[in-house]
Amino acid sequence: EDQVTQSPEALRLQEGESSSLNCSYTVSGLRGLFWYRQDPGKGPEFLFTLYSAGEEKEKERLKATLTKKESFLHITAPKPEDSATYLCAVPETGNQFYFGTGTSLTVIP
Amino acid sequence: DGGITQSPKYLFRKEGQNVTLSCEQNLNHDAMYWYRQDPGQGLRLIYYSQIVNDFQKGDIAEGYSVSREKKESFPLTVTSAQKNPTAFYLCASRWGQGPYYGYTFGSGTRLTVV
Repeated sequence: EDQVTQSPEALRLQEGESSSLNCSYTVSGLRGLFWYRQDPGKGPEFLFTLYSAGEEKEKERLKATLTKKESFLHITAPKPEDSATYLCAVPETGNQFYFGTGTSLTVIP
Repeated sequence: DGGITQSPKYLFRKEGQNVTLSCEQNLNHDAMYWYRQDPGQGLRLIYYSQIVNDFQKGDIAEGYSVSREKKESFPLTVTSAQKNPTAFYLCASRWGQGPYYGYTFGSGTRLTVV
């Protein structure tokens, strides 16, 4: 069965302490991988789409990378405003996406 | 600004009561979706609609109903048949079909059974 798994479930970082979030997937024939940011009590907000292994995209302190089996969201020198839940999702063969359960990131000042 | 508006933000349901969650978009997107989000679980698809007057069940459609009479609107009714409706409900839309188009999400409705 196709699955999307995110790790860790929760991550606490000191401000300025860089780290990475992982999204691994088992879908066959990957057609893209999406990263979203979700703040408490709000809907997810689109961050990146990656389509092929080796692709990288950056936005401010975030950089997303993609391999054949997983994606990483690297956070460089995070700030408290980066605290949120980060979700990844991959499209399945039909008309919907598989979502991971997310990584809850807390950045402590 | 274009976007998706969900209302209300908070909703309380009594046992045996049907409630309707509103979702309106002004993005001119054809496809609209309803997802349910529970703690520790990924988003799960309830219903989706690719065109007016047509909709399909997702993975957890039991106890829910939808309508799509206008392109802009996709309301979700949580019926009394849904035994565990307490959750965060997200409406989303996409410009196109297929795997290359991401979602735009609304701000969500938190439904609680009282």
